[in-house]
Amino acid sequence: DAGVIQSPRHEVTEMGQEVTLRCKPISGHDYLFWYRQTMMRGLELLIYFNNNVPIDDSGMPEDRFSAKMPNASFSTLKIQPSEPRDSAVYFCASSLSSEQFFGPGTRLTVL
Amino acid sequence: AQKVTQAQTEISVVEKEDVTLDCVYETRDTTYYLFWYKQPPSGELVFLIRRNSFDEQNEISGRYSWNFQKSTSSFNFTITASQVVDSAVYFCALTPFTSGTYKYIFGTGTRLKVLA
Repeated sequence: DAGVIQSPRHEVTEMGQEVTLRCKPISGHDYLFWYRQTMMRGLELLIYFNNNVPIDDSGMPEDRFSAKMPNASFSTLKIQPSEPRDSAVYFCASSLSSEQFFGPGTRLTVL
Repeated sequence: AQKVTQAQTEISVVEKEDVTLDCVYETRDTTYYLFWYKQPPSGELVFLIRRNSFDEQNEISGRYSWNFQKSTSSFNFTITASQVVDSAVYFCALTPFTSGTYKYIFGTGTRLKVLA
């Protein structure tokens, strides 16, 4: 079975540009999580969905960040406008029960 | 308060040594899950083990073993006869089973370096 798929794997953009990160969860999983990892702050939960519905977005840093899950097999995390401090690795994870399975991550660099 | 503490920031051992990674947690929930994940240099997070709060049995999987003690709120991870491929950052995580949600609280991770 395919694991969690994320695209792109690397993204380099300039400050002010819009960035869209994509995630395909494991088929059949009903929870989807977006995390951000930085050296300074470690792993931070940004938002999570259950059955495509956002449950907790308290970790979303500010209004520049938005996430959607239009169907059970696809989610996006959008940053508009991007800033250098958004540079991080963004992970998507999915789960059916308590264990979360992580995608390979998207390394975002905002210049 | 819900919290996971991994006090060891970095550990270096020589290959074939045994090493224990500490994890201490805080939660008021009586039902919860504990996890260990491995993040090798390639960057992905790999699930290693889940333990629920009602099961204090220790677990062994090959060279890996886990010791769960509710009395000390600890869930420690031991690698026996370490190998260079064990070099990674290891994260401990807690999810209090509140209303059936599975929101993780991660520790800050322990970087393990196994030297040849």
